[in-house]
Amino acid sequence: LAKTTQPISMDSYEGQEVNITCSHNNIATNDYITWYQQFPSQGPRFIIQGYKTKVTNEVASLFIPADRKSSTLSLPRVSLSDTAVYYCLVGDMGDDKIIFGKGTRLHILP
Amino acid sequence: DADVTQTPRNRITKTGKRIMLECSQTKGHDRMYWYRQDPGLGLRLIYYSFDVKDINKGEISDGYSVSRQAQAKFSLSLESAIPNQTALYFCATSDPGGSSSYNEQFFGPGTRLTVL
Repeated sequence: LAKTTQPISMDSYEGQEVNITCSHNNIATNDYITWYQQFPSQGPRFIIQGYKTKVTNEVASLFIPADRKSSTLSLPRVSLSDTAVYYCLVGDMGDDKIIFGKGTRLHILP
Repeated sequence: DADVTQTPRNRITKTGKRIMLECSQTKGHDRMYWYRQDPGLGLRLIYYSFDVKDINKGEISDGYSVSRQAQAKFSLSLESAIPNQTALYFCATSDPGGSSSYNEQFFGPGTRLTVL
């Protein structure tokens, strides 16, 4: 399983775009990149997944460069309710054991 | 996710007691997982199960046991609870290759366990 490295915490303001970058230098060919969001006292929630280039859904965008050694989760125009911990995970499809790590604690300020 | 439920939601127990945490799901997923989360830390995998006849240890299985009673039910037991097992426990399910994305797990609301 590829190890990931992401900032421990970030602060931003309402209405701003927030980008959280994750490093995964030893990502394998068959690995996908997945991001989860966790609100306090709740279980993590899957938000986006990608293999290469760019993926966008109603919640976020995920940018993956050609070498796939990093990825960036982009949250457009954040609000206070986006305050959460964001986890970057890397794993093969159907991986039995995905590793969550400590995530990035995002704090949105008014 | 209301499709994955956990009971109890909160539990306070004493050192040495046996305690069982239960997880039920209506998603029809074969794979189920138990995690623990300590303050400021990520989730750590305790046990996981691919189907009723399959049980696998995760990162931190010592002091825990599990039972997969049916596809929909996966229980976690602490045979003799100790204070450092105080944590937030999450159950999750997955269906890789099915309707969900790869590595997508669906989590229950969690059980907050305190061992005195």
